[in-house]
Amino acid sequence: QSALTQPPSASGSPGQSVTISCTGTSSDVGGNDYVSWYQQYPGKVPKLMIYDVTKRPSGVPDRFSGSKSGNTASLTVSGLQAEDEADYYCCSYTGSKAVFGGGTKLTVL
Amino acid sequence: QMQLVESGGGVVQPGRSLRLSCAASGFSFSISGMHWVRQGPGKGLEWVAAISSDGNTESYADTLRGRFHISRDNSKNIVYLQMNSLRVEDSTVYYCAKGLGRGSSAWYLDYWGQGTLVTVSS
Repeated sequence: QSALTQPPSASGSPGQSVTISCTGTSSDVGGNDYVSWYQQYPGKVPKLMIYDVTKRPSGVPDRFSGSKSGNTASLTVSGLQAEDEADYYCCSYTGSKAVFGGGTKLTVL
Repeated sequence: QMQLVESGGGVVQPGRSLRLSCAASGFSFSISGMHWVRQGPGKGLEWVAAISSDGNTESYADTLRGRFHISRDNSKNIVYLQMNSLRVEDSTVYYCAKGLGRGSSAWYLDYWGQGTLVTVSS
């Protein structure tokens, strides 16, 4: 099971919107709507930000949104804030296993 | 207050075995799917294994199947990861994580432990 493909880095200025992509195959991302996104600060444990492609757990700001088209899922962060600077990982549940993306480091300029 | 506390990490020689434990508290452990995820220093997350709430269904990353075994004891609120034939490349931090809910939601990890470090070295 190959890791999902994410860009290694992304950046934006405060207030802007940034979108991070996550590309898989028809066997994972494209095969169902079981995509999630995690935020991880350096030295900290990951935090669930998005699940079921578009849903936000309680407490996650609505500036974070998810979408999917074909084999590519996306995480959009609107109204960028300094605190959004972190690593972001996508994850797909294939029905019998899970696979993470390689991670994207989001920098707020 | 939900808590997941991993233990059992340490230094082990290549080819040897190690068993990690994750003690859970503050939530209904017996109805929660549980996972192990690992992360090398400065590297990304790698899903390792999962076990259903009743312990009847186990899932593994293809590259680890046959060497690693996940199990749980619902009477003690503990999930285990038995790691055999350890390799240098298995040296990472291992996290225990809890599934969000039932069914497919069990595959969304809404709470993570702080991790335990495994170092495989001769």
